[in-house]
Amino acid sequence: ETGVTQSPTHLIKTRGQQVTLRCSSQSGHNTVSWYQQALGQGPQFIFQYYREEENGRGNFPPRFSGLQFPNYSSELNVNALELDDSALYLCASSTGTAKAFFGQGTRLTVV
Amino acid sequence: DQQVKQNSPSLSVQEGRISILNCDYTNSMFDYFLWYKKYPAEGPTFLISISSIKDKNEDGRFTVFLNKSAKHLSLHIVPSQPGDSAVYFCAASDSDTGRRALTFGSGTRLQVQP
Repeated sequence: ETGVTQSPTHLIKTRGQQVTLRCSSQSGHNTVSWYQQALGQGPQFIFQYYREEENGRGNFPPRFSGLQFPNYSSELNVNALELDDSALYLCASSTGTAKAFFGQGTRLTVV
Repeated sequence: DQQVKQNSPSLSVQEGRISILNCDYTNSMFDYFLWYKKYPAEGPTFLISISSIKDKNEDGRFTVFLNKSAKHLSLHIVPSQPGDSAVYFCAASDSDTGRRALTFGSGTRLQVQP
């Protein structure tokens, strides 16, 4: 059984650029959630996808968008990057319970 | 407005002693609570959870206690081991279906001294 994998692990982007982060969910998990973790804080919920449909969204602007594919993998897209978008982005998958399994994260630095 | 609070940013204990990590919440709709452990450069790893219909759940060295009236939960680690040194996050959800967001606290860094 493969766990949650995220790519890339590290990324440096310039302010104003766009970025796409990818996540492969754990085998059999149909729900994927994305979280942003700023330095010294806990993960903050961005949005969740369940069976390819957005199933909830946190307090993030529309320039944060996502997709879930038929194999339940997912993408997080961020447009018009700002310096404050620098953070660890975590993907978590689950199925039927609140117990979510997290990937190792993508460290995004915006300069 | 932080709905889940971990008021102790750090905690240091001796190996073999008990570690007690605390968490408070404000949202009465939360009915499922989880603890995650995070090592540097890794994602959070699930440790233990508890439903609001229980007041205690135990798994090996880890026990979580829930006091619904006080909106408080705690994680006890006995005995503490150096490998337990990590950041611990408390998280809460208003459902156990997995189709609701987890709300996290800001974490407590536990250091277990050999």
